[in-house]
Amino acid sequence: AQSVSQHNHHVILSEAASLELGCNYSYGGTVNLFWYVQYPGQHLQLLLKYFSGDPLVKGIKGFEAEFIKSKFSFNLRKPSVQWSDTAEYFCAVNARKAAGNKLTFGGGTRVLVKP
Amino acid sequence: GAGVSQSPSNKVTEKGKDVELRCDPISGHTALYWYRQRLGQGLEFLIYFQGNSAPDKSGLPSDRFSAERTGESVSTLTIQRTQQEDSAVYLCASSPRGTTETQYFGPGTRLLVL
Repeated sequence: AQSVSQHNHHVILSEAASLELGCNYSYGGTVNLFWYVQYPGQHLQLLLKYFSGDPLVKGIKGFEAEFIKSKFSFNLRKPSVQWSDTAEYFCAVNARKAAGNKLTFGGGTRVLVKP
Repeated sequence: GAGVSQSPSNKVTEKGKDVELRCDPISGHTALYWYRQRLGQGLEFLIYFQGNSAPDKSGLPSDRFSAERTGESVSTLTIQRTQQEDSAVYLCASSPRGTTETQYFGPGTRLLVL
């Protein structure tokens, strides 16, 4: 069975600081990788995804993530955060051969950006 | 177009009662998923529908949980004889075909069992 771990439960940082959120997964097969974000009071929404090709993927709002297959990692980064990036971030994977492609989520990281 | 909608947005019930949670997927999406998020935890997969059949029910935690779907439309998640540990946010998502595309999530139903 696949599993996902996010290393930090809470992150507090100031505007303009750089952000990196760790995500590691456990699964022996080929996976699709996702980062979802939930802003306060809003739906869960897709930030970025990796299916194949260039392991450095760019998403919305200046976020990017790098898939490192040898490390089973898919860390999320943003060079300079804004107050509006305050949210909860979830890493998720699905096994490419699994019927229906159900997602397995990490526990989430709450990010608070101080103005 | 409209996104995934869920109702009710909040539900408070007494232990032992049955509850029904509803999900309206994005029109045309054949795949529908239910997830549960307990306080301070990530989302747990419950069940997946392709059309009105459920090829994957592996995440349903007990036989008190059941779900059905009418065609490629509305789905209902039913929890019988609710327990306090059922308290969570129940999220529904849909995707066009249930392959590698993105899942679109609804706002969730926050269930509190007293």
